[in-house]
Amino acid sequence: AQSVTQLDSQVPVFEEAPVELRCNYSSSVSVYLFWYVQYPNQGLQLLLKYLSGSTLVKGINGFEAEFNKSQTSFHLRKPSVHISDTAEYFCAVSEHWEEGAQKLVFGQGTRLTINP
Amino acid sequence: NAGVTQTPKFQVLKTGQSMTLQCAQDMNHEYMSWYRQDPGMGLRLIHYSVGAGITDQGEVPNGYNVSRSTTEDFPLRLLSAAPSQTSVYFCASSYSGAYYYNEQFFGPGTRLTVL
Repeated sequence: AQSVTQLDSQVPVFEEAPVELRCNYSSSVSVYLFWYVQYPNQGLQLLLKYLSGSTLVKGINGFEAEFNKSQTSFHLRKPSVHISDTAEYFCAVSEHWEEGAQKLVFGQGTRLTINP
Repeated sequence: NAGVTQTPKFQVLKTGQSMTLQCAQDMNHEYMSWYRQDPGMGLRLIHYSVGAGITDQGEVPNGYNVSRSTTEDFPLRLLSAAPSQTSVYFCASSYSGAYYYNEQFFGPGTRLTVL
């Protein structure tokens, strides 16, 4: 079974500073990787995904992530954060569960807090 | 499109009570699933359905039942609520579970407290 580890449970940063949220996964096969964002009191929303091709993936709201197969990492970055980026961020890997079924294996989440 | 909708938003139950969490989607998605979110544990799959009339267990199915009589609806039933089922529940849907690169769309969640 695959697993996902988000290395930081909380990340506080100042507004307009860069941020990196770290994610490592365990898998010996091809993977599909996702970052989801959960704003306060809302459901999860897809930020970006890696399926194949270029290892640098661009998502919504200025976020990007880099897939590194040798290090089994998929870190999320943004060069300049805004107050509105305050949210919880989840890294996930897609796993084939049973016939016709997909399971997203989630990391524990990283709470990003932007301070003015 | 309303996307994925869930009701109720909040619910408080006493131990032993039963209830149904409702989930509906208007995107004609084949695949629907239920997750629970607990602090520090991410989201875990409870049950899923690959189409109307077909359901199966996820990784934490005990204490929950599901049915899928239509493409649109996928209710989750708690048979006899226990404090360990206090959690936030999310319903999700996607075009097909067979293609596991598909994006899953999530509802806003139901926050359940069992006393």
